Amino acid sequence: DAGVTQSPTHLIKTRGQQVTLRCSPKSGHDTVSWYQQALGQGPQFIFQYYEEEERQRGNFPDRFSGHQFPNYSSELNVNALLLGDSALYLCASSLFAVEQFFGPGTRLTVL
Amino acid sequence: AQKITQTQPGMFVQEKEAVTLDCTYDTSDQSYGLFWYKQPSSGEMIFLIYQGSYDEQNATEGRYSLNFQKARKSANLVISASQLGDSAMYFCAMTSNTGNQFYFGTGTSLTVIP
Repeated sequence: DAGVTQSPTHLIKTRGQQVTLRCSPKSGHDTVSWYQQALGQGPQFIFQYYEEEERQRGNFPDRFSGHQFPNYSSELNVNALLLGDSALYLCASSLFAVEQFFGPGTRLTVL
Repeated sequence: AQKITQTQPGMFVQEKEAVTLDCTYDTSDQSYGLFWYKQPSSGEMIFLIYQGSYDEQNATEGRYSLNFQKARKSANLVISASQLGDSAMYFCAMTSNTGNQFYFGTGTSLTVIP
């Protein structure tokens, strides 16, 4: 049973560019959440997708957007990248919103 | 708003000894969940233990136990018989009453000394 998978593992972009990160949830899970974890910090909630709609959003600007597909996989898009967007981006999936299973993350570096 | 506080940036423990990692939380919700996650250097968050706000008994999972003191709003993690593989970052987290959002603390770096 595959767990949560994320791609790519690492990514390097320059300021102003756009990036798309991908996540496949654990088998049977229908809810996907995205988190940003800056170096030395705890993860910060970006948003959560359920039934292809954004169900809840954290305190992140509109440059951060997402999508959930019918197979429950999800994408995180970040436009107009800033140096401060450099972080580990974690995807987590859940079924009944009690326990979240995390993927290995995508490490984004913005130069 | 929910808030998690972890006041120990770093902790050291001798192999085979027990260690307690502190976590306090703040919420106005009556129903919430408390979690501990382990994050090795690889980055993946590994679920360790869960405590519901209405659970009367402290949660246990193998060598992990959660010391839940509701009145003090604390949810400390106790790791018994520490192993070298326990060296990692440990995060305390809680869910909102809807369960849709996790709030994480800043983490505690645990180092197990041989």
